[in-house]
Amino acid sequence: AQSVTQLGSHVSVSEGALVLLRCNYSSSVPPYLFWYVQYPNQGLQLLLKYTSAATLVKGINGFEAEFKKSETSFHLTKPSAHMSDAAEYFCAVSPTLTGGYNKLIFGAGTRLAVHP
Amino acid sequence: DAGVTQSPTHLIKTRGQQVTLRCSPKSGHDTVSWYQQALGQGPQFIFQYYEEEERQRGNFPDRFSGHQFPNYSSELNVNALLLGDSALYLCASSLLAGGPKGTGELFFGEGSRLTVL
Repeated sequence: AQSVTQLGSHVSVSEGALVLLRCNYSSSVPPYLFWYVQYPNQGLQLLLKYTSAATLVKGINGFEAEFKKSETSFHLTKPSAHMSDAAEYFCAVSPTLTGGYNKLIFGAGTRLAVHP
Repeated sequence: DAGVTQSPTHLIKTRGQQVTLRCSPKSGHDTVSWYQQALGQGPQFIFQYYEEEERQRGNFPDRFSGHQFPNYSSELNVNALLLGDSALYLCASSLLAGGPKGTGELFFGEGSRLTVL
């Protein structure tokens, strides 16, 4: 069975500081991994995805994540936080697309607060 | 190009009632998935529809049912509502994973927030 663990339900950083949101996954098959962002009262927006190509994945809004198989991790980073980055972030895993049908298993989420 | 649209955005029901939520997928998408997001939690997979059939189902009781129409739009029905069904219900559309153009990427709507009193 696949699962995702996001370490830290709340993260607070200063504007301009490094953002690091942690995600560890469990999967018996090579996974596809995703990071989504959710702003208040909105749906989920895809930030970036790993699909077995380059292990360092660049996404929108300056975010990037590195797939580390040995650590079963897919941490999300951004060099310099902006006030507009304050939101809920979800890591998700999906089995490789051999079954023909895609579904995501989400972590519990990390709420990012950015203060001046 | 319209994205995924859901209706209604908010609704209030009482225990025991039934509710129907609607979703129109992103143009060109053929697969619709439904997720339940309880307050403070990550989304949980309910089920997925492709070619008007339920293809995968998560750990949800039979009170949760769905339908996909020939135009790919979809409905989620919940019968005999419980207080615990209060949540944000998210619809996501995609191209079928593993298909010629399927990337597995889901596009989410803004959700329907259901409150059960």
